Amino acid sequence: DAGVTQSPTHLIKTRGQQVTLRCSPKSGHDTVSWYQQALGQGPQFIFQYYEEEERQRGNFPDRFSGHQFPNYSSELNVNALLLGDSALYLCASSVIGRENEKLFFGSGTQLSVL
Amino acid sequence: GQSLEQPSEVTAVEGAIVQINCTYQTSGFYGLSWYQQHDGGAPTFLSYNALDGLEETGRFSSFLSRSDSYGYLLLQELQMKDSASYFCAVRDGQAGTALIFGKGTTLSVSS
Repeated sequence: DAGVTQSPTHLIKTRGQQVTLRCSPKSGHDTVSWYQQALGQGPQFIFQYYEEEERQRGNFPDRFSGHQFPNYSSELNVNALLLGDSALYLCASSVIGRENEKLFFGSGTQLSVL
Repeated sequence: GQSLEQPSEVTAVEGAIVQINCTYQTSGFYGLSWYQQHDGGAPTFLSYNALDGLEETGRFSSFLSRSDSYGYLLLQELQMKDSASYFCAVRDGQAGTALIFGKGTTLSVSS
């Protein structure tokens, strides 16, 4: 049973560019959450997708957008990259209605903005 | 909004016991979770407390006091492999079900 998979594992971009990160949830999971983790900090919630819609959003600008596909996989898009967007981007999956259960995280995408 | 406070660093030696505290403020409370993250790795679930009291899972235990908005993670018989960051997390009670994490506690275990 595959867990949460993310691609790519590492990415280098320059300021102003756009980036797309991808996530496949754990089998049987229908909800995907995205987090940004700066070095030495805890994961910061970006947004959550369920039934192909953004269900909840954290305190992130509109430059951050996402999508969920019918197969529950998800993408995170960041436009007009800033140096401060350099971070580890984590995807986590869960099952709606079973929020008290644990989140399963992918290993993340390390984004470096130069 | 929500906020969580936990110590930034804790050090201990192999075989010792260490306690990592977490205090939280939320508009609605749906339980306190703990996650472990090794350098460069994915956070992994350790424990979840919805009710007051102690939950034990092997060498790790977690405690919750809802009246004090306080919990802790207790790690016993420490091993070198326990060196990692530990995060407490609560649900975003006001807006839904997003899990909100603290800044994390870095545990260093030495021999």
